[in-house]
Amino acid sequence: EADIYQTPRYLVIGTGKKITLECSQTMGHDKMYWYQQDPGMELHLIHYSYGVNSTEKGDLSSESTVSRIRTEHFPLTLESARPSHTSQYLCASSDTSTPGNTIYFGEGSWLTVV
Amino acid sequence: QQQVKQSPQSLIVQKGGISIINCAYENTAFDYFPWYQQFPGKGPALLIAIRPDVSEKKEGRFTISFNKSAKQFSLHIMDSQPGDSATYFCAASTSGGSYIPTFGRGTSLIVHP
Repeated sequence: EADIYQTPRYLVIGTGKKITLECSQTMGHDKMYWYQQDPGMELHLIHYSYGVNSTEKGDLSSESTVSRIRTEHFPLTLESARPSHTSQYLCASSDTSTPGNTIYFGEGSWLTVV
Repeated sequence: QQQVKQSPQSLIVQKGGISIINCAYENTAFDYFPWYQQFPGKGPALLIAIRPDVSEKKEGRFTISFNKSAKQFSLHIMDSQPGDSATYFCAASTSGGSYIPTFGRGTSLIVHP
């Protein structure tokens, strides 16, 4: 079982502010992901990483950016938040060497932009 | 292009009944089929998974049935309980390499007491 930590869990922020959602995992997984999800709705992949210094855009276009300087850390940044960014953001990780790249999720960060 | 199609979108079951959620896939390279359970306010958690070399896997009240020729798999929840009320996601992936797992759109299950 993977341990993935996301901070903050809940954030209310004004339009135009810059925010960074933090994500760390302690299992040494090589792949990491960010998903955007509205309550009870489908998971939208917005960013992923194969390893250090690797970042890729996902299926859903996003104005956010990510970085992967350390294996365990995969922060997501919004340079200028807008109300349309209000959503839940889920960080996840997987180990390529395990069956099927099983994905393990964090608890999520709930972002509200007012 | 949706590689994993999940149905139904929502499901209401009485306590003690059987809940059945279905998924279909196209890519024959998939070799791992997990199901995730997500409670409100939480991230999805791995519930049960199956590989295509078996047709069924059971863990407690949860069973995955897998039909390789039809490229379909389903989750059965026996004796459904109100505590099972959650959103369920099927997924498909390949082991190793650069492949990113694909998720279904989710099924919202409500079990009435």
